[in-house]
Amino acid sequence: TQLLEQSPQFLSIQEGENLTVYCNSSSVFSSLQWYRQEPGEGPVLLVTVVTGGEVKKLKRLTFQFGDARKDSSLHITAAQPGDTGLYLCAGGRSGNTPLVFGKGTRLSVIA
Amino acid sequence: DAGITQSPRHKVTETGTPVTLRCHQTENHRYMYWYRQDPGHGLRLIHYSYGVKDTDKGEVSDGYSVSRSKTEDFLLTLESATSSQTSVYFCAISTGEAARDTQYFGPGTRLTVL
Repeated sequence: TQLLEQSPQFLSIQEGENLTVYCNSSSVFSSLQWYRQEPGEGPVLLVTVVTGGEVKKLKRLTFQFGDARKDSSLHITAAQPGDTGLYLCAGGRSGNTPLVFGKGTRLSVIA
Repeated sequence: DAGITQSPRHKVTETGTPVTLRCHQTENHRYMYWYRQDPGHGLRLIHYSYGVKDTDKGEVSDGYSVSRSKTEDFLLTLESATSSQTSVYFCAISTGEAARDTQYFGPGTRLTVL
């Protein structure tokens, strides 16, 4: 059973379009991280959210943590080819156990 | 830059041979992790460490062992490599004091077992 479900798995869009990817669970998380991974490299942290309902913005990227801390979304405005990559969400649970990772959303932005 | 290096970056080996991958951090963070990443499976935790000589298993630990004799180094060993262990291996560290804290990843090692 996958604790964190990401959707969609694959997304191919044209440059300039908007998109939203989702990270959902039936479990409550103490924190939620989003990473972006480019081919041949390790995942790079984009943001950490810790409060239910929290919204963080990073240039054209907007991250939201659900009120109940069970889900999160990543919205990209006016996507650019440089946004292409694998987007991973990861959740921290109560207790001293490592992060749980979703399987990722692979985004391709076509110029 | 979290100061994480992995070596080697690429390795090709034969079935049945031992392989050791090294992860090195430049700071004295307590938590270090080893993952493998495969298409369709995402990142899967192999083992992690919470201090020198303190390690615990992840979800895919069979066939792997780890050692941490110094804070800055975390070694992953495949005692007898199999083709199913062909994968990309990532090391990560956490700058916090809990296993659930945010992680920062190294550049990865691509391992091919023939």
